[in-house]
Amino acid sequence: DQQVKQNSPSLSVQEGRISILNCDYTNSMFDYFLWYKKYPAEGPTFLISISSIKDKNEDGRFTVFLNKSAKHLSLHIVPSQPGDSAVYFCAASEGGGGADGLTFGKGTHLIIQP
Amino acid sequence: ETGVTQSPTHLIKTRGQQVTLRCSSQSGHNTVSWYQQALGQGPQFIFQYYREEENGRGNFPPRFSGLQFPNYSSELNVNALELDDSALYLCASSATRGGTEAFFGQGTRLTVV
Repeated sequence: DQQVKQNSPSLSVQEGRISILNCDYTNSMFDYFLWYKKYPAEGPTFLISISSIKDKNEDGRFTVFLNKSAKHLSLHIVPSQPGDSAVYFCAASEGGGGADGLTFGKGTHLIIQP
Repeated sequence: ETGVTQSPTHLIKTRGQQVTLRCSSQSGHNTVSWYQQALGQGPQFIFQYYREEENGRGNFPPRFSGLQFPNYSSELNVNALELDDSALYLCASSATRGGTEAFFGQGTRLTVV
């Protein structure tokens, strides 16, 4: 039973346009959400996070939106740049992410076209 | 400030053997978590250590065990290796017990033949 779902295995976006990556979750106990970016042969790199008490968090070109009633979050990247091409993982945690660690989705491969 | 480092980067083992993977935490971090990432999947939580004690465990059998040392470095041990244990093993350290904003190492690619 997958508690965090990223239903798009891949996404292709033109350079300069907006990239929107989506994530759905089923566990209503999740209260903290994170996005990680992963290049081949490297470990995941933390991008941005959001607590369940907020509905938006922004950091430069990256914005995460959280819709708790829909159990849905999205990552917006604008404008998209070639270096953004990578696999993006959505992750969630419950109660501060302690005993149960982070629960990850399967990832979305973002490809930025020149 | 050094990041999270893991060793070795690649490893090939035979089914039934035992393996030890190592991780050095980021400076100042007292919490370490281990994840298994199979091909085409997201990382799956194995367990977490906080100040040398296991703080939580995912759905992995007891043949997956770990240690955290006083300097907060860590080991993941897997006994009686199975073919399905072939995966990328990721270590993540964090400054808080909750381990939310975890910083990952580059991983160890384990192949069981």
